[in-house]
Amino acid sequence: EDQVTQSPEALRLQEGESSSLNCSYTVSGLRGLFWYRQDPGKGPEFLFTLYSAGEEKEKERLKATLTKKESFLHITAPKPEDSATYLCAVPQGAQKLVFGQGTRLTINP
Amino acid sequence: DAGVIQSPRHEVTEMGQEVTLRCKLISGHNSLFWYRQTMMRGLELLIYFNNNVPIDDSGMPEDRFSAKMPNASFSTLKIQPSEPRDSAVYFCASIFFLAGEGDTQYFGPGTRLTVL
Repeated sequence: EDQVTQSPEALRLQEGESSSLNCSYTVSGLRGLFWYRQDPGKGPEFLFTLYSAGEEKEKERLKATLTKKESFLHITAPKPEDSATYLCAVPQGAQKLVFGQGTRLTINP
Repeated sequence: DAGVIQSPRHEVTEMGQEVTLRCKLISGHNSLFWYRQTMMRGLELLIYFNNNVPIDDSGMPEDRFSAKMPNASFSTLKIQPSEPRDSAVYFCASIFFLAGEGDTQYFGPGTRLTVL
């Protein structure tokens, strides 16, 4: 069964303190890995899609990378507004997405 | 452009009552997904449609749950009768899907359902 595991469950950082979130997956024939950001009381907001090992994508202070077994979301010099839950997901079949449980990130000023 | 629209945003009801959640797809999208999110189970897919046709409803928890797409831009998720364990946030998401290709799902703001 396809599985997606995110770690840590929660992470508290000081403003400016860089770190990484992990998303490991067990799926045959990976056809992409998605990262979403979810703010309290809102729906998940799309960040990135990665399709092949070695691929990297960046958006502001975020950079997502992909290997054959896991993906990392690197956060460089985060600000309080980066506080959110970050979700990763992998396709299962043609269209279904299997989501991880998420990492709840808090950036303290 | 308008994103996915869901209504109501909040619903409080009593056990045994019928609940109907509504979703309007992004204009031009042809696939719709209904999800449920809880602290314990995270984000779970309930059912999805392509071009108004239900493709996979294996995530629908029980016969008390039903979903329809009466037209290409609108869907409803109905729970009858509702139970306290149905309390969760329900999201819908839409994409423009071409056969053989995956694409990014765009989520609505969700409906927070509380069943007393």
